[in-house]
Amino acid sequence: DTGVSQNPRHKITKRGQNVTFRCDPISEHNRLYWYRQTLGQGPEFLTYFQNEAQLEKSRLLSDRFSAERPKGSFSTLEIQRTEQGDSAMYLCASSRTDLGNTIYFGEGSWLTVV
Amino acid sequence: GESVGLHLPTLSVQEGDNSIINCAYSNSASDYFIWYKQESGKGPQFIIDIRSNMDKRQGQRVTVLLNKTVKHLSLQIAATQPGDSAVYFCVQGNMLTFGGGTRLMVKP
Repeated sequence: DTGVSQNPRHKITKRGQNVTFRCDPISEHNRLYWYRQTLGQGPEFLTYFQNEAQLEKSRLLSDRFSAERPKGSFSTLEIQRTEQGDSAMYLCASSRTDLGNTIYFGEGSWLTVV
Repeated sequence: GESVGLHLPTLSVQEGDNSIINCAYSNSASDYFIWYKQESGKGPQFIIDIRSNMDKRQGQRVTVLLNKTVKHLSLQIAATQPGDSAVYFCVQGNMLTFGGGTRLMVKP
């Protein structure tokens, strides 16, 4: 078990560019979550999947944010037309609902928009 | 609406002392709580969880207490070590709400 893996760990992009983050959950975890965290704040829930179904997406910050999990394994979070306010750490987490649903986090992907 | 909050933003303890981090919640329907530890620049790390049918659960050097009457839970860390320095979050089981966290600082 290698834990939740996120790539890239750091991304610097120019305002207006699109960025995509990838998350590989723990093997056999059927749920996958995305969060955003800014300095000094707790993680803010964005969306989650159960297998390939996106069960909650109303918390996505704007229509510039989208997430996919096409085969129920890895997931991507895309931010289009980035703004400076998007600078934050984007956290992925996963869980297995038939084993207590304990949620484990990755190390996060840092985004800096310049 | 539901909320999960923390009483103190910063807690400073002497190495070797016990630490107690408190958390209040408002949703009485909450049936599962989790404590996470987050070190600087890292993702939250699962510490311990507790379900509402329990009032106490122990792990390695950590104990979580749940008081459903006053909707309060606490995380106790025994013999606090410098490596315990981090921000601690309590989270409801639905994972939608993190509080701002309590920063634990351990003085050598």
